[in-house]
Amino acid sequence: KQEVTQIPAALSVPEGENLVLNCSFTDSAIYNLQWFRQDPGKGLTSLLLIQSSQREQTSGRLNASLDKSSGRSTLYIAASQPGDSATYLCAVRIGNQFYFGTGTSLTVIP
Amino acid sequence: EPEVTQTPSHQVTQMGQEVILRCVPISNHLYFYWYRQILGQKVEFLVSFYNNEISEKSEIFDDQFSVERPDGSNFTLKIRSTKLEDSAMYFCASIAPGTESHYGYTFGSGTRLTVV
Repeated sequence: KQEVTQIPAALSVPEGENLVLNCSFTDSAIYNLQWFRQDPGKGLTSLLLIQSSQREQTSGRLNASLDKSSGRSTLYIAASQPGDSATYLCAVRIGNQFYFGTGTSLTVIP
Repeated sequence: EPEVTQTPSHQVTQMGQEVILRCVPISNHLYFYWYRQILGQKVEFLVSFYNNEISEKSEIFDDQFSVERPDGSNFTLKIRSTKLEDSAMYFCASIAPGTESHYGYTFGSGTRLTVV
């Protein structure tokens, strides 16, 4: 069974810092990997989607990488802002299901 | 941008009661999913639905759960006799036809179910 782990569980940084969130997964036979943002009590907002054949995707200040062979993905956030404070989830797609990590709770301090 | 819409946003129900959670997927999507997230835990897969039938379901999706697409637009999740442990955020998601392996899901904003 696919296990998805995210490290760290929580992260607190001052505004303006660059930061990296980590995601690892046990089964490398994935279709794609998706990073989501979740605000407290809210739904899932898709940030970036990386296909299994891709190495990275960029959107604005966000850059996600994928190393399928080692079962790892990173989400890089440049010049963090207080509005980036949220929980970040990674999810890997195998077959007809997504398997989610437990998330990294990010706090950006003004 | 097209959205997946879920109603209600929050539902409180008494243990043993039936609840129906509603979702309106994106109009040209044909694959539909329900996930749930118990407070503080991972988002978990419940069921996938295609061509008016369940294509896959998890161990969580037991006989007290059912899904249907009653009118070609709504996609519903019914819990027949709710238990305290059914309290969770329930997410609906959909994906366009022909893109299943290449695109991510679009998720709704969720229904928070509280069983008392």
